[in-house]
Amino acid sequence: EAGVTQFPSHSVIEKGQTVTLRCDPISGHDNLYWYRRVMGKEIKFLLHFVKESKQDESGMPNNRFLAERTGGTYSTLKVQPAELEDSGVYFCASSQDGHSTGRYSPLHFGNGTRLTVT
Amino acid sequence: DQQVKQNSPSLSVQEGRISILNCDYTNSMFDYFLWYKKYPAEGPTFLISISSIKDKNEDGRFTVFLNKSAKHLSLHIVPSQPGDSAVYFCAASEDGTYKYIFGTGTRLKVLA
Repeated sequence: EAGVTQFPSHSVIEKGQTVTLRCDPISGHDNLYWYRRVMGKEIKFLLHFVKESKQDESGMPNNRFLAERTGGTYSTLKVQPAELEDSGVYFCASSQDGHSTGRYSPLHFGNGTRLTVT
Repeated sequence: DQQVKQNSPSLSVQEGRISILNCDYTNSMFDYFLWYKKYPAEGPTFLISISSIKDKNEDGRFTVFLNKSAKHLSLHIVPSQPGDSAVYFCAASEDGTYKYIFGTGTRLKVLA
């Protein structure tokens, strides 16, 4: 079974530019999540999709961040315009089970995209 | 304010000995706790979990202990192996959600 894949693995952009990160979840996983780790700190939740719907986007830092999951398959996270504080590692994760199932199964994370804004 | 805290940023242990990684939390509503391991340039990998109805869960060399009254959990690795060298993240969630709250991680180095 292929794992969660993220593209690109690294991105270096200048302040003010736009970057789009992509995540392909494990096939069949309806639940997709974005997390971010900034400067070696804790990994923070950004948002949660169930299929193509945003279930919870309470962790999105501001309106410069836009996440989409058209068709309920892969997801993109766009940062426009990028600021210096957006630098960090962006992780995508997926799971088959969700809150409604009442079953706990751990999230499967991708290797992340390291974003550097200069 | 951080709800999940890993106060030790790093830990070194001799191969074959026990590694004990600690995690404290403040939110009494957390009901599910996990440990993830992370190697450089890779994503976090699930290691072991425990629900709040238990106080211990064991999987091979890994055991997680939960002390709800102290709001404290720990991960024991016995015996420690050089391949265990990684950053370990403690995470917690509330009410069965996948909105994990992570700690800042502890870097474990197992010396051969």
